Amino acid sequence: EIVLTQSPATLSLSPGERATLSCRASQSVGSYLVWYQQKPGQAPRLLIYDASNRATGIPARFSGSGSGTDFTLTISSLEPEDFAVYFCQQRSNWPITFGQGTRLEI
Amino acid sequence: QVQLVQSGAEVKKPGASVKVSCKASGYTFPSYGISWVRQAPGQGLEWMGWISTYNGNAKYAQKVHGRITMTTDTSTSTAYMELRSLRSDDTAIYYCARDGSDSAAAGNFDYWGQGTLVTVSS
Repeated sequence: EIVLTQSPATLSLSPGERATLSCRASQSVGSYLVWYQQKPGQAPRLLIYDASNRATGIPARFSGSGSGTDFTLTISSLEPEDFAVYFCQQRSNWPITFGQGTRLEI
Repeated sequence: QVQLVQSGAEVKKPGASVKVSCKASGYTFPSYGISWVRQAPGQGLEWMGWISTYNGNAKYAQKVHGRITMTTDTSTSTAYMELRSLRSDDTAIYYCARDGSDSAAAGNFDYWGQGTLVTVSS
């Protein structure tokens, strides 16, 4: 199965700063990479699909890039509500797999 | 609006079975598949399987293959996930999520249920 490794495990930033989260795949997933945000006690929320497409209702400060094995989620200017855990997930090969998550904290 | 509403929390003994339901509304049920994802306490996300709500075809993760069955009832727009021979490491929140309509489109989970906590304890 494809292993996704996210870095860093924890990212400490302040509101207004730029956040850059990384996801690396153990083999190419093409553009079939998805990003989710999860807040405590809530289900994950789809942010980005197929590497760079924002899901419905997702603010423009969230952007995704990359292809093959290296992907990045960028939050251009952090809002207080953006502090959460972010997961990447590949849908290129069965089984669908997730990264271990990056905790974005103040 | 699209909603997935799951059944309530369950407490089971090791070796028992659990069946979690996921009732969909706000969209045409057979037009999207359903995946099930679980999250152990304080841990990451683990995909368990996908089912086509159109024809019932399913794909399961190897880790639970043989212990899991996913089904759907199109008359009530409800998906079900049954897990058998429960172990303590099956303790987790189980989520259903709306997914792609066929296996090639699966893996974009755009709507999620609220989650069902399944606790396995003697």
